[in-house]
Amino acid sequence: AQSVTQPDIHITVSEGASLELRCNYSYGATPYLFWYVQSPGQGLQLLLKYFSGDTLVQGIKGFEAEFKRSQSSFNLRKPSVHWSDAAEYFCAVGSYTGGGNKLTFGTGTQLKVEL
Amino acid sequence: DVKVTQSSRYLVKRTGEKVFLECVQDMDHENMFWYRQDPGLGLRLIYFSYDVKMKEKGDIPEGYSVSREKKERFSLILESASTNQTSMYLCASRRGAGYGYTFGSGTRLTVV
Repeated sequence: AQSVTQPDIHITVSEGASLELRCNYSYGATPYLFWYVQSPGQGLQLLLKYFSGDTLVQGIKGFEAEFKRSQSSFNLRKPSVHWSDAAEYFCAVGSYTGGGNKLTFGTGTQLKVEL
Repeated sequence: DVKVTQSSRYLVKRTGEKVFLECVQDMDHENMFWYRQDPGLGLRLIYFSYDVKMKEKGDIPEGYSVSREKKERFSLILESASTNQTSMYLCASRRGAGYGYTFGSGTRLTVV
């Protein structure tokens, strides 16, 4: 069964500092990977996705993520964080075959931005 | 803009009541999903549907059922609400495999 681990429950960074949120997945074949962001009281918004090809993917709001197969990781990065980036971030893994093509989500990382 | 609309933002129901959570999408998507979100547990899949009248159990289907009579509407039913079903419920839809999900804003259900 596929699974996702987000080892950091909470992260605090200063505005303007760089950010990296960690995501490790477990899946037997080639996964497809997503990062979502959730602002308080809202649904989830897609930041970026990886299906194949270039392992460095660019997303909205200045975010990027790098797929590293050898480490089973898909970490999210941003060079300079803005106060409006404070939110909860979810990594998700899906499959092309079986499993009903469903996504499995991690437990989330809550980002706090200090001004 | 594409949209997934959940009929209620907040609901308070009594234990034992039958509860309907409604979700409508306007994107002609084939796939629809119901998740519940709890602190520290992330999102867990309850049920999903590939097409009209088709449904499959997710990871935590116990105590829930679903209905999809029309392509745009996917309903989650709590047959007899219990306090452990107090949660945030998120509906999502997707064009098909390999596409991202579009989520609704969620329904926060409290069972008292």
